[in-house]
Amino acid sequence: DQQVKQNSPSLSVQEGRISILNCDYTNSMFDYFLWYKKYPAEGPTFLISISSIKDKNEDGRFTVFLNKSAKHLSLHIVPSQPGDSAVYFCAASSYNTNAGKSTFGDGTTLTVKP
Amino acid sequence: DTAVSQTPKYLVTQMGNDKSIKCEQNLGHDTMYWYKQDSKKFLKIMFSYNNKELIINETVPNRFSPKSPDKAHLNLHINSLELGDSAVYFCASSPPGNHYYGYTFGSGTRLTVV
Repeated sequence: DQQVKQNSPSLSVQEGRISILNCDYTNSMFDYFLWYKKYPAEGPTFLISISSIKDKNEDGRFTVFLNKSAKHLSLHIVPSQPGDSAVYFCAASSYNTNAGKSTFGDGTTLTVKP
Repeated sequence: DTAVSQTPKYLVTQMGNDKSIKCEQNLGHDTMYWYKQDSKKFLKIMFSYNNKELIINETVPNRFSPKSPDKAHLNLHINSLELGDSAVYFCASSPPGNHYYGYTFGSGTRLTVV
């Protein structure tokens, strides 16, 4: 039972354009959502998060949007840069359960072309 | 100065052997985790320790045994290795409130069982 899904295994965008990565979840108990970026041969690096009481969180070029009714979140990167090429994982956790465990999606590989 | 370090980075071993992976964090975090990333890139939690106490133990074969001698270290010992154990194993740590601030991951240990 995969509770967090990233249905697009890959995405390719031109440098300077917007990248939109999507994530869907099924567990309504999730109340925190995070995005990580991963380069080859490295561990995932935390990027940005959002709690369920918000619908948007912004940090520089990165914005995460949350639609609770649709159980959907997205990460927008504007403008995209070649250095953003990596695998992006979304993750979800529940404050009151699961002892802080984050459940991860299976990642989307973003390629930003110069 | 590496925040979460894992050793070894690569491990190639024969079926039936016993091996250990070590993890150390210098961030002062109370909670540490082991995640497994299989060939489908899916990151799945295996164990979590909070201040040396086991708090999450997912449905992992009992050939896998975590050990936390202190809150800065979480090692993973695997007995009787099988081909299906081949994967990348990530150690991670988090402070209280990790739901919003995310994990800090090590760079991973690529285990290949032949």
